[in-house]
Amino acid sequence: QVHLVQSGAEVRKPGASVKVSCQASGYIFTGYYIYWVRQAPGQGLEWMGWINPNTGGTNYAQKFQDRVTMTTNTSINTAYMELNRLKSEDTAVFYCATRGPYGSAAWWGRGTQVTVS
Amino acid sequence: DIQMTQSPPSLSASVGDRVTITCRASQTITSFLNWYQQKPGEAPKLLIYAATILQSGVPSRFSGRGSGTDFTLTISSLQPEDFATYYCQESYSVPLTFGGGTKVEIK
Repeated sequence: QVHLVQSGAEVRKPGASVKVSCQASGYIFTGYYIYWVRQAPGQGLEWMGWINPNTGGTNYAQKFQDRVTMTTNTSINTAYMELNRLKSEDTAVFYCATRGPYGSAAWWGRGTQVTVS
Repeated sequence: DIQMTQSPPSLSASVGDRVTITCRASQTITSFLNWYQQKPGEAPKLLIYAATILQSGVPSRFSGRGSGTDFTLTISSLQPEDFATYYCQESYSVPLTFGGGTKVEIK
């Protein structure tokens, strides 16, 4: 069974960085892209980008292009999303998800709350 | 970027009602359209991918239709556990844009 375990809540000051982790189990980690999605309080879902754990290749949404870095450590089946130069508007829950059929986000982590204050 | 417009933003319905949510893409996305359900405090859950294919384990009262730019999600007989927010998402081209969501509330 696919399981994505995300790191715990974080509090950062404006201008700082945060790195969220997502450890996968139950499938071949290098076989499926990992997506990252942001959800601000009371708001909808916002796709941030993806990483291919097999090659390390990434594709970031233009909105986050200059502030986000997605990486993986295949030895421990873990993906990371680092967001720099944090703003108060980055206060949100950040989700990782595996890419499923037709590019869907098939399996989701429980989310990591990041508070910028 | 492709824009995804969902309607209505919210609706009130009763248990047993038939509910339909629409999603329109700003350009053709063929069948690269996914639907998710999100309950408060929980991660989204994939319901339907490729516009019409039910994800494993999803009840058959959920169904999806459409192709090109216009899509619908239908719940044939609303159940208490279906009260949630529903999102469409295109997976045709990056960024993989989500619709704004439709909150289904109890009447």
